Amino acid sequence: GESVGLHLPTLSVQEGDNSIINCAYSNSASDYFIWYKQESGKGPQFIIDIRSNMDKRQGQRVTVLLNKTVKHLSLQIAATQPGDSAVYFCAEDPPIFGKGTRLHILP
Amino acid sequence: GAGVSQSPSNKVTEKGKDVELRCDPISGHTALYWYRQSLGQGLEFLIYFQGNSAPDKSGLPSDRFSAERTGGSVSTLTIQRTQQEDSAVYLCASSPGGAGLEQYFGPGTRLTVT
Repeated sequence: GESVGLHLPTLSVQEGDNSIINCAYSNSASDYFIWYKQESGKGPQFIIDIRSNMDKRQGQRVTVLLNKTVKHLSLQIAATQPGDSAVYFCAEDPPIFGKGTRLHILP
Repeated sequence: GAGVSQSPSNKVTEKGKDVELRCDPISGHTALYWYRQSLGQGLEFLIYFQGNSAPDKSGLPSDRFSAERTGGSVSTLTIQRTQQEDSAVYLCASSPGGAGLEQYFGPGTRLTVT
């Protein structure tokens, strides 16, 4: 799994635009992937998941894409809103979490 | 229904003291995880309990850290002889089964070692 980084990368997006958050995972045998959202002062909350037999899964305003060839996972958020400001983590076959990306919404 | 709860929400302790952090998982969840999150950083896996199986302790950073899960429910994370670098938020999560299922997180315990 990935080690914890010293600084979280930040993605700044204009309100109303689409956001794409990327994650690289380490284990090609991983079967299950989850995206979590963590708001300040709170524990992570489930957003969407995907299993390794799928390439894409859609939820409400969110889409997860899985590319097993390059071990890459992405989270797309449509029409980003101020409430989407948070740190986003990917997790593979929990308990392994990625480093996280801070999403900052510009007014 | 009730989610995962943790207590205390905040704990300030002096260097060298022992601390105990408590996690109450969602009723019926067989899997329980402890993580540590330092300020502005990601989640560091500490330990994982699944049913009656031996826990996965591979993430514990030193022998000062230990955890128990009594009766397949409540868990206690103990840190002995605390050090300043132990200061962090300690998060607990539970899930209905083992790996491959969504985790539900508690609000965390913020530990400050002075």
